[in-house]
Amino acid sequence: EDQVTQSPEALRLQEGESSSLNCSYTVSGLRGLFWYRQDPGKGPEFLFTLYSAGEEKEKERLKATLTKKESFLHITAPKPEDSATYLCAVQAVITGNQFYFGTGTSLTVIP
Amino acid sequence: SAVISQKPSRDICQRGTSLTIQCQVDSQVTMMFWYRQQPGQSLTLIATANQGSEATYESGFVIDKFPISRPNLTFSTLTVSNMSPEDSSIYLCSVRPGQGAYEQYFGPGTRLTVT
Repeated sequence: EDQVTQSPEALRLQEGESSSLNCSYTVSGLRGLFWYRQDPGKGPEFLFTLYSAGEEKEKERLKATLTKKESFLHITAPKPEDSATYLCAVQAVITGNQFYFGTGTSLTVIP
Repeated sequence: SAVISQKPSRDICQRGTSLTIQCQVDSQVTMMFWYRQQPGQSLTLIATANQGSEATYESGFVIDKFPISRPNLTFSTLTVSNMSPEDSSIYLCSVRPGQGAYEQYFGPGTRLTVT
C-alpha cells in the first residue's frame, strides 16, 4: 500500500536556525512528489514538484530534494513568517490522480 | 496557478441536513478534485469531478453521500448529505490546470461543523 510518512510531527526553531523536514514514501512507480505549505484556516499552498531522484528545487529559504525513498525540505535561516504546516504528497503512475498526503510537520519559528 | 474560491467559508449545520459547497476557478481547467481534511489529519481525496459526466469516487466515498456536479470547466459543487457529527471536517476543492504538470492548486476550504 502506498504510504507517506513525515517527520518530525512538530518542530520549533529559533529564527535563523536552519533545519530539515523529512518525507518518506513507499509508492509503486512515483509520478511526482509535492510539497505544500498550509497556514491555519487556509488551503494548502503549492511549493514544489519533484519528479526523479537527484532533483532539487529552491524557493527563497526553502530547498526540496528527492531520493528514491524520501524527500527533504531544507529551511535555511528561517524567519517567523515561515511558521506553518508543511505537507508532502506523492502521486503514483498507476493510481491516476490520487494524491497520498502525509500528516505534515508543524513548524514554529521563534523570533 | 489558478485562483480558486469556495463558498461558504464555514458553516454550522444540524445532523440529518445537507450542505452544498461551491468551488469557482478563474480559468478553465480540465481536472477538479474534492478533498476532506478531518481534524488533526491530512487530506483525503473524495472524488474527481468530471465535466459532463459522473464524478469518480475514491474507495470509502459514495455518490449518495457526496453528490458532485461539474456543469462547466470553471465550477463544481460538492454536497454533503444527511450529515452526522463525523462529517465535521474541512472540505477543499483543488484543480490541476496544466498539461504535463501534475501539481494541484487548492481553494481556501470550507470548514463544516455538524451538531
